[in-house]
Amino acid sequence: DADVTQTPRNRITKTGKRIMLECSQTKGHDRMYWYRQDPGLGLQLIYYSFDVKDINKGEISDGYSVSRQAQAKFSLSLESAIPNQTALYFCATRQGASGELFFGEGSRLTVL
Amino acid sequence: DAKTTQPPSMDCAEGRAANLPCNHSTISGNEYVYWYRQIHSQGPQYIIHGLKNNETNEMASLIITEDRKSSTLILPHATLRDTAVYYCIVRVVSGAGNMLTFGGGTRLMVKP
Repeated sequence: DADVTQTPRNRITKTGKRIMLECSQTKGHDRMYWYRQDPGLGLQLIYYSFDVKDINKGEISDGYSVSRQAQAKFSLSLESAIPNQTALYFCATRQGASGELFFGEGSRLTVL
Repeated sequence: DAKTTQPPSMDCAEGRAANLPCNHSTISGNEYVYWYRQIHSQGPQYIIHGLKNNETNEMASLIITEDRKSSTLILPHATLRDTAVYYCIVRVVSGAGNMLTFGGGTRLMVKP
């Protein structure tokens, strides 16, 4: 089983719908991150969390919210999805400030 | 974090060394150089990182110039499976804001 698991892996939804992407990890890491990737581009940081209940905005947090209710789980929500949120979303974890990032396999979201 | 500049694409013959350059002329003294790669649409994978000295691991070697304004990632014997987008990132390994920022990267194509 993967150390960082994202669900769903693929989702097609309609404009205005609420969507939640889930991330769970078995690595015991304290830090978790959500990134977004548009086709042919690099990754942009949406939100990150250094511990349970700790939430920090990244580069592109508008239109997104997150929840870190347990160390192993970090969920990303789109309250009212819009087409330009169609992208590949990655969750990542890291232990402390200097550890390497471990990424999940990605969640491909399409908003029609 | 210091900004990095990488060529958008490179080709390499299978079995030959792949040398991927990265310019980070505004790097600060406490910023490390990290390399990640992303194969197709999978989650990025950590390769190597360094501060001043050259580093080597089972995947690659990292050569950092003496003035630290540029670096080169070396894949000594590239295989077809090394075809990926390679990201060079510089960041401070301390503090609360040590987020990893991914730019466009270099798309390496290893050809038979």
